[in-house]
Amino acid sequence: EVQLVESGGGVVQPGGSLRLSCAASGFTFSSYWMSWVRQAPGKGLEWVANIKDDGSEKNYLDSVRGRFTISRDNAKNSLYLQMNSLRAEDTAVYYCARDGRGLIMKVVIIADYWGQGTVVTVSS
Amino acid sequence: QSVLTQPPSASGTPGQRVTISCSGSTSNIENNYVYWYQQLPGTAPKLLIYRNNQRPSGVPDRFSGSKSGTSASLAISGLRSEDEADYYCAAWDDTLRGVVFGGGTYLTVL
Repeated sequence: EVQLVESGGGVVQPGGSLRLSCAASGFTFSSYWMSWVRQAPGKGLEWVANIKDDGSEKNYLDSVRGRFTISRDNAKNSLYLQMNSLRAEDTAVYYCARDGRGLIMKVVIIADYWGQGTVVTVSS
Repeated sequence: QSVLTQPPSASGTPGQRVTISCSGSTSNIENNYVYWYQQLPGTAPKLLIYRNNQRPSGVPDRFSGSKSGTSASLAISGLRSEDEADYYCAAWDDTLRGVVFGGGTYLTVL
């Protein structure tokens, strides 16, 4: 059974940092692209970033590029999101999602499994 | 403002068929696969349709997807009360080099 468990959320002041983690199990983690998707309170889904199976390609939402860094440790079956220079508008539930397998994103299945999310609140 | 455009709400009565539209552009819907997600209140999203019209195992055949040009649709037939949820479309965008979502459609079963 595919399981994705996020952790690391919390309350942080504007300008602060947080590191989110996602522990994956039930599948061959090193074979899959992975994504972070967020949902602000009462709002819709917003893709944040994704990373290729071997970590060689990373893509970001424009508004987080340069502030957030996605990474993975295939030996630990873990996905990470380092978030720096946080802003109030980054407040959201952050979901870890498994994407598919493939060389390029055009053929990769998007977000077939989701974690339960971790809450990030940016407030003074 | 979402890159993909969905109506904010839809409704139907039990047993009815409803469709939810998703409008985009050449760089996303027309040239890439479309995905649909269901989010029940208070829960994480769930993949409903992948690669335009494919259903993951366990998704009832009451749910179907289609795509034509820069638009896509999700159809739900034999509407049931448990279908009341938010529905989102998504696609890869070649220009933005990222995944884009629609703003979501809340389906009410009257």
